[in-house]
Amino acid sequence: GAVVSQHPSRVICKSGTSVKIECRSLDFQATTMFWYRQFPKQSLMLMATSNEGSKATYEQGVEKDKFLINHASLTLSTLTVTSAHPEDSSFYICSARDPGTNTGELFFGEGSRLTVL
Amino acid sequence: AQRVTQPEKLLSVFKGAPVELKCNYSYSGSPELFWYVQYSRQRLQLLLRHISRESIKGFTADLNKGETSFHLKKPFAQEEDSAMYYCALSGRGYSTLTFGKGTMLLVSP
Repeated sequence: GAVVSQHPSRVICKSGTSVKIECRSLDFQATTMFWYRQFPKQSLMLMATSNEGSKATYEQGVEKDKFLINHASLTLSTLTVTSAHPEDSSFYICSARDPGTNTGELFFGEGSRLTVL
Repeated sequence: AQRVTQPEKLLSVFKGAPVELKCNYSYSGSPELFWYVQYSRQRLQLLLRHISRESIKGFTADLNKGETSFHLKKPFAQEEDSAMYYCALSGRGYSTLTFGKGTMLLVSP
């Protein structure tokens, strides 16, 4: 199946700094990618839909200025957590659909665990 | 609004016992339903989708529109089935996917 890769898998940063997480579709082009956040022992919550060449669509309650999303190419979307604070510590997961399959299946990255000290 | 409910956080069974992970949904149109699974230290992956009516690793799920349910079943659980299972719903055209809170399945020997 299609492969989605995230980097870094783990990142630790100091409070107040910014962190960038990359999401790449390795063998297909994705005009749309989805960013999820997962708290411990809880479900995945959709944060935003990343659209190639245009602005991301954010879910209600997600701060646009806090979580900057850029989808500069058909294979790369980035999530930047700006001025991170301990409450931003979480597991961030990106996903995308392979348009060649037309099954609706979402392919997930391995996730990025952010710890803000 | 679309919503997915998985009432059980944890389901613990013995090897060889039948398993049923419950999923109920709320959606005004015709939904696409999926089951995703996350094994320990692995990424989330698709287990099965209702539209294909397939059986994967012995698991099946039938969409019951009357009861708005999409329960996941397996007649004889195996230890390797231990994982986190998420029921998910998408609207027509494969728009955004809404996940349930997940059910942890533990299969003991």
